[in-house]
Amino acid sequence: SFELTQPPSVSVSPGQAASITCTGDALPTHYASWYQQKPGQAPVLMIYRDNERPSGIPDRFSGSRSGTTVTLSISDVQAEDEADYYCQSGDSSGMDVVFGGGTKLTV
Amino acid sequence: QVHLVQSAAEMRKPGASVRVSCKASGYIFTKYTISWVRQAPGQGFQWLGWISTFNEQRYYEHKFQGRLTMTTDISTNTAYMELRSLRSDDTAVYYCAREVVAGAPEAFDIWGQGTMVTVSS
Repeated sequence: SFELTQPPSVSVSPGQAASITCTGDALPTHYASWYQQKPGQAPVLMIYRDNERPSGIPDRFSGSRSGTTVTLSISDVQAEDEADYYCQSGDSSGMDVVFGGGTKLTV
Repeated sequence: QVHLVQSAAEMRKPGASVRVSCKASGYIFTKYTISWVRQAPGQGFQWLGWISTFNEQRYYEHKFQGRLTMTTDISTNTAYMELRSLRSDDTAVYYCAREVVAGAPEAFDIWGQGTMVTVSS
């Protein structure tokens, strides 16, 4: 299997923009997803298939990719966005699902 | 409302087995695969594998092959995960999760609330 690497932490002031990166050699051939997890809660899917947002997710959240790196961008960061964020990659066959180590976003 | 509701927390001794259930509601159960993911205390996520609720095709992450079994009961819309030969490093919250795109278990939009499994002598 392969690995996904995320920065351990990112800090941002309210109202500013934040970016969280995720790097992995298999990313060019695999979809990327992003999850938000708050303490004691199950994760919430924020982005799938690189840049698709599930219903109910604010459009402040967006995803992009460039080569072996995918990025979760959050515009106009709110206090409620403080959480751990995990990238995850897999192909549509579901044979190769991997999670990144997580990034703690501090607002 | 789409929900996955899991069974209660479990405690086991090393070497024992545990079975966790995941009951689905609010959607057509046989249309989406169910995956299982775990999270050790203070750690990230580890994917265990998935099962098709349509034909019970399964795929397990290689490190769990031999001691992991996933099953489904379509009469009750319930998925099960059994892990055998438990070790202390199997202590984790176990989640079931539904794929966001039917037939493509590479991302998960609906998660159960999690089941804490503690392995300790």
